[in-house]
Amino acid sequence: KNEVEQSPQNLTAQEGEFITINCSYSVGISALHWLQQHPGGGIVSLFMLSSGKKKHGRLIATINIQEKHSSLHITASHPRDSAVYICAVLYNFNKFYFGSGTKLNVKP
Amino acid sequence: DTAVSQTPKYLVTQMGNDKSIKCEQNLGHDTMYWYKQDSKKFLKIMFSYNNKELIINETVPNRFSPKSPDKAHLNLHINSLELGDSAVYFCASSLTSGRASETQYFGPGTRLLVL
Repeated sequence: KNEVEQSPQNLTAQEGEFITINCSYSVGISALHWLQQHPGGGIVSLFMLSSGKKKHGRLIATINIQEKHSSLHITASHPRDSAVYICAVLYNFNKFYFGSGTKLNVKP
Repeated sequence: DTAVSQTPKYLVTQMGNDKSIKCEQNLGHDTMYWYKQDSKKFLKIMFSYNNKELIINETVPNRFSPKSPDKAHLNLHINSLELGDSAVYFCASSLTSGRASETQYFGPGTRLLVL
């Protein structure tokens, strides 16, 4: 069993749609990261959060510590948002667990 | 200027060889990391160094040895390469904490293929 579960595994959306990617984890965490991996392979860190909500442009990340759950939202999605989104949790400051990723394809 | 750079970008080598992957960051960060992404695209942390000191050392074979000559560099040396070492290796850095509780900046990755 993976300590971090993401859903859905694959997601296809039309341009302009509101998108939600979910991440559930089974351990008490120190922090949670959302990463974006482009089709070319490059990885970008989108958010690091330990509580509440963060917003950057069209991206919003929320975390509920009690429910051990985080969501990544994309408003007004665009084809350039097509990528793999990876949730990663930091446990006890020295254990790092990754989800298997959500592959997003936004069609024009 | 590239913030986190890795060399080489591609590495094809024979089983049993010894190889090194280099990583440099010009962000003035104190902490650097090595990750492995396997063929199923699953990311896994291998090591982290804070100011040249090993902080995170996941269960990786002894054949993998990180070396940090200074806080701007974290090289990964792999001895006796095996087929299963084929993967993409990513280097990353963060500002201060060696405990991965900060935003990390990733290098472009090194694609290693062991034949």
